[in-house]
Amino acid sequence: NAGVTQTPKFQVLKTGQSMTLQCAQDMNHEYMSWYRQDPGMGLRLIHYSVGAGITDQGEVPNGYNVSRSTTEDFPLRLLSAAPSQTSVYFCASSSRGLYGYTFGSGTRLTVV
Amino acid sequence: RKEVEQDPGPFNVPEGATVAFNCTYSNSASQSFFWYRQDCRKEPKLLMSVYSSGNEDGRFTAQLNRASQYISLLIRDSKLSDSATYLCVVNTNNNDMRFGAGTRLTVKP
Repeated sequence: NAGVTQTPKFQVLKTGQSMTLQCAQDMNHEYMSWYRQDPGMGLRLIHYSVGAGITDQGEVPNGYNVSRSTTEDFPLRLLSAAPSQTSVYFCASSSRGLYGYTFGSGTRLTVV
Repeated sequence: RKEVEQDPGPFNVPEGATVAFNCTYSNSASQSFFWYRQDCRKEPKLLMSVYSSGNEDGRFTAQLNRASQYISLLIRDSKLSDSATYLCVVNTNNNDMRFGAGTRLTVKP
């Protein structure tokens, strides 16, 4: 099984550009989330979804949008990139949140 | 105050040593608890869940004290391959998992 697949692995954006980070899982997991990881801050929740058609905001949602049209896919959209969004982004999924998450390998984003 | 706080580390220990990591959480409604391991420039991977009665997996032992809102991870007979950052994770409801900033461990020959 592929597990959780994130693309791209690396990306450089200019301030003001928009882009979509892709996330797909093949485990039929209901729960999917996006986190960002910054030095000394730990992972912070951006948005999450408990099933197709249902999304909600996490700790740091500003500047990001998500949608969940299928169980498998949970893309994260940066609307207008800012240098403060330079980070490592992880997508994660779980069959039920209480059982812990499986993470994708991450996307390293730099905004210049 | 952060919702999940961990020992800042880093911990530098010799092979064979026993090392313990501590974690405290602020939300008394938290329902489930985990330790994750993260290698440099890699994704976090689930190491073990933490149960109220305490649980052990080989050289790793996890403890939970709900009254004190405290979680611990004990690693016995440390191996070079244990070198990583260990993340304490607390789940308040089904999808609100909060991560500590992590504690870095380096095991030296």
